[in-house]
Amino acid sequence: QQQVKQSPQSLIVQKGGISIINCAYENTAFDYFPWYQQFPGKGPALLIAIRPDVSEKKEGRFTISFNKSAKQFSLHIMDSQPGDSATYFCAALHPNTDKLIFGTGTRLQVFP
Amino acid sequence: GAGVSQSPRYKVAKRGQDVALRCDPISGHVSLFWYQQALGQGPEFLTYFQNEAQLDKSGLPSDRFFAERPEGSVSTLKIQRTQQEDSAVYLCASSSRGAGNSPLHFGNGTRLTVT
Repeated sequence: QQQVKQSPQSLIVQKGGISIINCAYENTAFDYFPWYQQFPGKGPALLIAIRPDVSEKKEGRFTISFNKSAKQFSLHIMDSQPGDSATYFCAALHPNTDKLIFGTGTRLQVFP
Repeated sequence: GAGVSQSPRYKVAKRGQDVALRCDPISGHVSLFWYQQALGQGPEFLTYFQNEAQLDKSGLPSDRFFAERPEGSVSTLKIQRTQQEDSAVYLCASSSRGAGNSPLHFGNGTRLTVT
């Protein structure tokens, strides 16, 4: 059972454009929602994270929008750059475990 | 160390062989996690340690998989009698507290190929 669904599977964006990746979750007990960035041959690296008591969090060009009632959250990358080309994973954490449940990933390609 | 270190970086095993994968977490990190990442997929949880105690091993796919962290620092993931379906990247991550209270720092993984 896939508890965190991520879309799209791949995304192509022009340099300077906005990249948007969406995730939906099923378990309303999840209380921590991070986004990870992974380059080929490297481990995932934490990009930005949010808890369900806020609807938006911004760090530089990266913004998480969170909709608790819809059980959805999204990552927005403003002014996308070729260096942002990577695979992005959303994840969710249940407070009674320390298990991060990851989405299936979105491969982002930013062309100059 | 500066980050989570995993070795070997690549491992090729013949079906039926045993393998051992090592993880050196960031010094002082209490929590240590193992994840399995199949090609083109997100990481999937295998097991979790807090210091030397293995608190959750619900993600280990079979009894051929075994993990330990005897002194609360270095951890080893052992796979006995490897099968082709074990081919994946095995990621180790550590955090100073739990996954919800401090960021997970991942290593670059060990890519296991079973032939």
